[in-house]
Amino acid sequence: QKEVEQDPGPLSVPEGAIVSLNCTYSNSAFQYFMWYRQYSRKGPELLMYTYSSGNKEDGRFTAQVDKSSKYISLFIRDSQPSDSATYLCAMSGMEYGNKLVFGAGTILRVKS
Amino acid sequence: EADIYQTPRYLVIGTGKKITLECSQTMGHDKMYWYQQDPGMELHLIHYSYGVNSTEKGDLSSESTVSRIRTEHFPLTLESARPSHTSQYLCASSPHMSSTNTLQETQYFGPGTRLLVL
Repeated sequence: QKEVEQDPGPLSVPEGAIVSLNCTYSNSAFQYFMWYRQYSRKGPELLMYTYSSGNKEDGRFTAQVDKSSKYISLFIRDSQPSDSATYLCAMSGMEYGNKLVFGAGTILRVKS
Repeated sequence: EADIYQTPRYLVIGTGKKITLECSQTMGHDKMYWYQQDPGMELHLIHYSYGVNSTEKGDLSSESTVSRIRTEHFPLTLESARPSHTSQYLCASSPHMSSTNTLQETQYFGPGTRLLVL
């Protein structure tokens, strides 16, 4: 069983829709949770970072962590065609020497 | 945008050739990493370094080697390329943070090198 599970998609939505991207994980030792966005033929770039449980908002993006359910989410409001990319969740913790464990990524397509 | 560079961006090479993938960062970061990424799969850590003269193998077994002679430079070498090495290779770096509640594992990625071994 993978440590981090992420639905690969592709997820196709119309412009303006609210998008929900999710990851589940198995190890309760994870403390730091991140979302990366990766455009085609580019390296991943950090979108959101959260420590432990709770919500964090940045513009149209909201990251949510529920440690009791071992579940994290990224919400994108008013999605735009420029949001079309692969979204990778990643997590880390002291037990991992702060190395990152990644999900496989969800491909998102926002249609104009 | 992160100042981390990888060359070449694309490489097609024959089996048995020796290749070196270059990675440089101008941010003065102590930590550097090499990942392998295949379509639809997780990024797998193959090597990392916590500073000059420090190199460690990652979670994914790899026939590559790395060196860290300078802070800014972290090249990856394949002594004898094989078709199974065909993949995308991503380099990343992160700063050293001492506080436990700060962004201590923000990794900044380069654009990647796409390698095809024939």
